[in-house]
Amino acid sequence: GAVVSQHPSRVICKSGTSVKIECRSLDFQATTMFWYRQFPKQSLMLMATSNEGSKATYEQGVEKDKFLINHASLTLSTLTVTSAHPEDSSFYICSARDQGRGRPGQYFGPGTRLTVT
Amino acid sequence: GDSVTQMEGPVTLSEEAFLTINCTYTATGYPSLFWYVQYPGEGLQLLLKATKADDKGSNKGFEATYRKETTSFHLEKGSVQVSDSAVYFCALSDTNAGKSTFGDGTTLTVKP
Repeated sequence: GAVVSQHPSRVICKSGTSVKIECRSLDFQATTMFWYRQFPKQSLMLMATSNEGSKATYEQGVEKDKFLINHASLTLSTLTVTSAHPEDSSFYICSARDQGRGRPGQYFGPGTRLTVT
Repeated sequence: GDSVTQMEGPVTLSEEAFLTINCTYTATGYPSLFWYVQYPGEGLQLLLKATKADDKGSNKGFEATYRKETTSFHLEKGSVQVSDSAVYFCALSDTNAGKSTFGDGTTLTVKP
């Protein structure tokens, strides 16, 4: 139980285009999901907290107009990287809280490798 | 704010050696503590966790004890295998907001 999936696992796009990444909780409902970014050989940096039915909460320094987050249902959050540039190339990882089970912590998706050419 | 400090890597060990990866934290309140493992090209997998002081988390031969007095959660394994080669992240979770704060990760390489 408590599986989180991400789609796509890898994506290559051209500079200036937009890319949407999906994060799904497969066997539980998640009112809160998190989006992280990981640079090579570095730790995870929290980008934003995605709340079902309301606006996402962005961490300081993260451009909300560039990284659009939509949490339209209890099992799906999407991250759209708009007008992507090579510096947006990174590993994006989502996680979800299984609040129904009352257990602390998060369950992580397998990540999406974004390469902007 | 909350922070996690991990032992710097990389760490290289021979198979069957003893492993310790140090982790200390600063946090307000009473966070839950976690170790995650990341294999090359993959996402994070929860390795073990502890939710309160003196709890010991264990999984696959790894263990860590939540030490409130020293604000530590060191990861240990008595005999590592080549398949344990990965990056290990120590993390804490704010039980209210649910956000996790991660250490910088420690790369472990186990040689046969």
